[in-house]
Amino acid sequence: EADIYQTPRYLVIGTGKKITLECSQTMGHDKMYWYQQDPGMELHLIHYSYGVNSTEKGDLSSESTVSRIRTEHFPLTLESARPSHTSQYLCASSRTTGSGNTIYFGEGSWLTVV
Amino acid sequence: KQEVTQIPAALSVPEGENLVLNCSFTDSAIYNLQWFRQDPGKGLTSLLLIQSSQREQTSGRLNASLDKSSGRSTLYIAASQPGDSATYLCAVSNDYKLSFGAGTTVTVRA
Repeated sequence: EADIYQTPRYLVIGTGKKITLECSQTMGHDKMYWYQQDPGMELHLIHYSYGVNSTEKGDLSSESTVSRIRTEHFPLTLESARPSHTSQYLCASSRTTGSGNTIYFGEGSWLTVV
Repeated sequence: KQEVTQIPAALSVPEGENLVLNCSFTDSAIYNLQWFRQDPGKGLTSLLLIQSSQREQTSGRLNASLDKSSGRSTLYIAASQPGDSATYLCAVSNDYKLSFGAGTTVTVRA
């Protein structure tokens, strides 16, 4: 069973508010990812990290930012939330081994901006 | 840019029938391919990972094949059960990142 945790699971906030979605993993994985998924749609990579102090933007342009100060922690921040940010945000982690880089997902954070 | 397509988008079968889910991708230079299951309102659970050098992987009632040259993978689920109802996602890995299909939503009727 994967040990990757996201908080909050569900959040409703007003436009213009700052929000941080937390993601932690206890598996010692070096790679971590944030995906965005609208209902019934594909997952899109918005940020990833190869390790501490390493962060990159993904394929989908996002107004969010991330940080990776500790291996186990990869928070995502929206400085000023807008209704267009309403979506599900999925955090994931992986470690490349000889058998491949199986990726593990958290249960997701559902964000609604009103 | 890698494009991943899953057909059909939705599937409804009676209990006991075998399921066949298809995935195609445009760039055959992949490291591996993974099949995931997603339940409503939940994250993703990895089902099977096939390395680019492999042709298939099996786990219990699940079998996944990979034909890298033609850009195709198929997930077979034998003797389907109502608990198999979920959305199944295919993802291909090019180096550090996964590209996902939109998924096939499966309903198994009791």
